[in-house]
Amino acid sequence: EIVLTQSPGTLSLSPGERATLSCRASQSVSSSYLAWYQQKPGQAPRLLIYAASSRATGIPDRFSGSGSGTDFTLTISRLEPEDFAVYYCQQYGSSPRTFGQGTKLAIK
Amino acid sequence: QVQLVQSGAEVKKPGASVKVSCKASGYTFTTYYMHWVRQAPGQGLEWMGTINPSGGSTTYAQKFQDRVTMTRDTSTSTVYMELSSLRSEDTAVYYCARSWQLASPFDYWGQGTLVTVSS
Repeated sequence: EIVLTQSPGTLSLSPGERATLSCRASQSVSSSYLAWYQQKPGQAPRLLIYAASSRATGIPDRFSGSGSGTDFTLTISRLEPEDFAVYYCQQYGSSPRTFGQGTKLAIK
Repeated sequence: QVQLVQSGAEVKKPGASVKVSCKASGYTFTTYYMHWVRQAPGQGLEWMGTINPSGGSTTYAQKFQDRVTMTRDTSTSTVYMELSSLRSEDTAVYYCARSWQLASPFDYWGQGTLVTVSS
């Protein structure tokens, strides 16, 4: 099983700032089958990024993903008020599909 | 538009079973895989398994192998997840989510179904 470790656990920033979230895998993620999701309280997760760096349909270009192998990053270039949420990474290239424990992006 | 609509909240006693439904619309039901993911209160996301609506084949996470059954009804475009021998630790929101290939991310999610296990 591939274990995904996200850091930091909580990131406190202000609107307009840049956010950098990390996801590290216990073994290489095949073909960069790595996704990022955003989840707001009381809502289902929403797909942001897939294949490590491709934005899902309708996702603003302030969201970007990068990385390969075992190290991946989600960057939000300029935070908007609606971006404060919990973010999860997921690998979907091998079974079981696994998620990171999440990073909470909080308003400073 | 794609929609995954799940059944309503459930309250069950320990040892009982629960069956959650997920009705798909807005796309061809048999051309996308469906997954079940759960989230305990205040916790992260946990993948439970996958069903291929086309042929009905399933893959379960080892943790749930002995207790979960995923089925589908192509006539109503609905998938079902049944979890047996419930215990308090199974209290969670259960989501269905689809992917366009087996090795694809989950692009649409249901609204979630809260299952509470309590004596």
